[in-house]
Amino acid sequence: KAGVTQTPRYLIKTRGQQVTLSCSPISGHRSVSWYQQTPGQGLQFLFEYFSETQRNKGNFPGRFSGRQFSNSRSEMNVSTLELGDSALYLCASSVDSTNEKLFFGSGTQLSVL
Amino acid sequence: GIQVEQSPPDLILQEGANSTLRCNFSDSVNNLQWFHQNPWGQLINLFYIPSGTKQNGRLSATTVATERYSLLYISSSQTTDSGVYFCAVELGANNLFFGTGTRLTVIP
Repeated sequence: KAGVTQTPRYLIKTRGQQVTLSCSPISGHRSVSWYQQTPGQGLQFLFEYFSETQRNKGNFPGRFSGRQFSNSRSEMNVSTLELGDSALYLCASSVDSTNEKLFFGSGTQLSVL
Repeated sequence: GIQVEQSPPDLILQEGANSTLRCNFSDSVNNLQWFHQNPWGQLINLFYIPSGTKQNGRLSATTVATERYSLLYISSSQTTDSGVYFCAVELGANNLFFGTGTRLTVIP
């Protein structure tokens, strides 16, 4: 069974640009959540989608957005990039939305110059 | 808000040694998970353990929910065990609040 797949693996952008990251969950998993990891703030929850609906949102500005498609694949978008957005962005999936083990992808390393 | 503290922050072990990592959390939680992040950044789910004890090979975990702590035991450590170990508590649907982690280095 294929794991959680994130693309691209690495990305370099400049301030002010926007970026879209993609996540394909494990087959049969309907919940997808996104996390940001930085050396200073650690791992922080961005948002969670279940059956194309955002169920939870973390404490991030509106520049961070996401969506989920009918096949459970998810994208997250960051507009007007800032230097502080440089981070490892991790996607996780689970069968359902509560009390389930989360399985993470390898992440997208975003560098903002 | 909830606080999740892990200790020790750093740990260096000789291959073959045993270790215990601790996770303290400030409020009652419904779900606690342990993860290992390898040097390439991959987060691997080790245990989903809201209470009780579980074992998986050389690893085992115990959560005492009433006393708000969890322990991860690593026996006969190997160099491949190196990386950062995180505990995380669930605040909502798949909204995990992560601790700051324990960085483990196993030397041959």
